[in-house]
Amino acid sequence: AQSVTQLDSQVPVFEEAPVELRCNYSSSVSVYLFWYVQYPNQGLQLLLKYLSGSTLVKGINGFEAEFNKSQTSFHLRKPSVHISDTAEYFCAVSALSGTASKLTFGTGTRLQVTL
Amino acid sequence: DTAVSQTPKYLVTQMGNDKSIKCEQNLGHDTMYWYKQDSKKFLKIMFSYNNKELIINETVPNRFSPKSPDKAHLNLHINSLELGDSAVYFCASSSVQGAWVDTQYFGPGTRLTVL
Repeated sequence: AQSVTQLDSQVPVFEEAPVELRCNYSSSVSVYLFWYVQYPNQGLQLLLKYLSGSTLVKGINGFEAEFNKSQTSFHLRKPSVHISDTAEYFCAVSALSGTASKLTFGTGTRLQVTL
Repeated sequence: DTAVSQTPKYLVTQMGNDKSIKCEQNLGHDTMYWYKQDSKKFLKIMFSYNNKELIINETVPNRFSPKSPDKAHLNLHINSLELGDSAVYFCASSSVQGAWVDTQYFGPGTRLTVL
């Protein structure tokens, strides 16, 4: 069984400030981790993913995340946010289920960027 | 070009009606999924098909019936709609080869409102 915990439901931050969105996971099999972003009234867009290799993963729009196996975490960071980063962010863990991959999502973190 | 498309974008209907949501992907993927996002933004997988074969079937009422006429299409038919079915439904697709987990690409969503 796998699960994802996003510890913060909302994160308010001022523009140009750094931000970290926290994600902890549990999985009994090989870990594949994803961060998706959902802008208002839109679908989910992939920000970045960890499948294997380097634990520091860089994604789109200046975001990055670090896979930490000992702490079972995959926190998302950005050194300087913009108003346009205001959105819902979802952490997810994936595991193979036959010939499909089953994504289990966290409950989401609402990032609110203000001037 | 739209990678994963869904129709309709909005669907408003009365309780007890039957409705369908269509999904198409032009990414050449062999696996497609349906997810439900509730009013609290929680995302949960419902079904997954690989090459027209049902792979994942979560605990979903049998009023929901997915149909995959070919590997590029996965439609969702819902019978006897209930108020609790109101949600945003997302279609997604991915490529799964052996033990390799690939990214799932999401459609724009269909907002279903049951009155």
